[in-house]
Amino acid sequence: AQSVSQHNHHVILSEAASLELGCNYSYGGTVNLFWYVQYPGQHLQLLLKYFSGDPLVKGIKGFEAEFIKSKFSFNLRKPSVQWSDTAEYFCAVNLNYGGATNKLIFGTGTLLAVQP
Amino acid sequence: DTGVSQNPRHKITKRGQNVTFRCDPISEHNRLYWYRQTLGQGPEFLTYFQNEAQLEKSRLLSDRFSAERPKGSFSTLEIQRTEQGDSAMYLCASLSGELFFGEGSRLTVL
Repeated sequence: AQSVSQHNHHVILSEAASLELGCNYSYGGTVNLFWYVQYPGQHLQLLLKYFSGDPLVKGIKGFEAEFIKSKFSFNLRKPSVQWSDTAEYFCAVNLNYGGATNKLIFGTGTLLAVQP
Repeated sequence: DTGVSQNPRHKITKRGQNVTFRCDPISEHNRLYWYRQTLGQGPEFLTYFQNEAQLEKSRLLSDRFSAERPKGSFSTLEIQRTEQGDSAMYLCASLSGELFFGEGSRLTVL
């Protein structure tokens, strides 16, 4: 069955530190990949997505992610985190059937705490 | 606010009671999704609709769960004879290129 793994469940960083959150998925076919963020008390919001093309995807708030097909990975990065990046981050994947989005399968999430 | 709206935001009920949640998607979004999220887990897919048609149901959706979207606009998720294991956040999302999530309805079953 299709699954998504996020290896870091809880990450604590100081402001200005660099961030990389791991995401691996299990499916050999064509996939669409997403990173969602949930700030405290708020709903899930899309950070960035990959459908096709350039495997390095840039999202909002300075985040980027790189799709490495051979490693089944879609890691999220940010060169310098801010206190306001404190949130929970979810990687998600769906099978690409002719470009259509059906259901997203989410990872278990990574809770990021940025210390000022 | 033109986002996805969910009601009620919080529901506390006793085991065995029925509860119903409502989701109003972003207008003109044809696809509507229900997810469930428990502590320490990511959202788990329950079901989704294309207009009024329910296209897929997860095996997580037991016979006590029923979802409807009668006119292809708002949707309801009903849980009958609630159990403590049903305690979770129930998320609704509508689709236009990406999923737009509501703030969720938190269910606590005592």
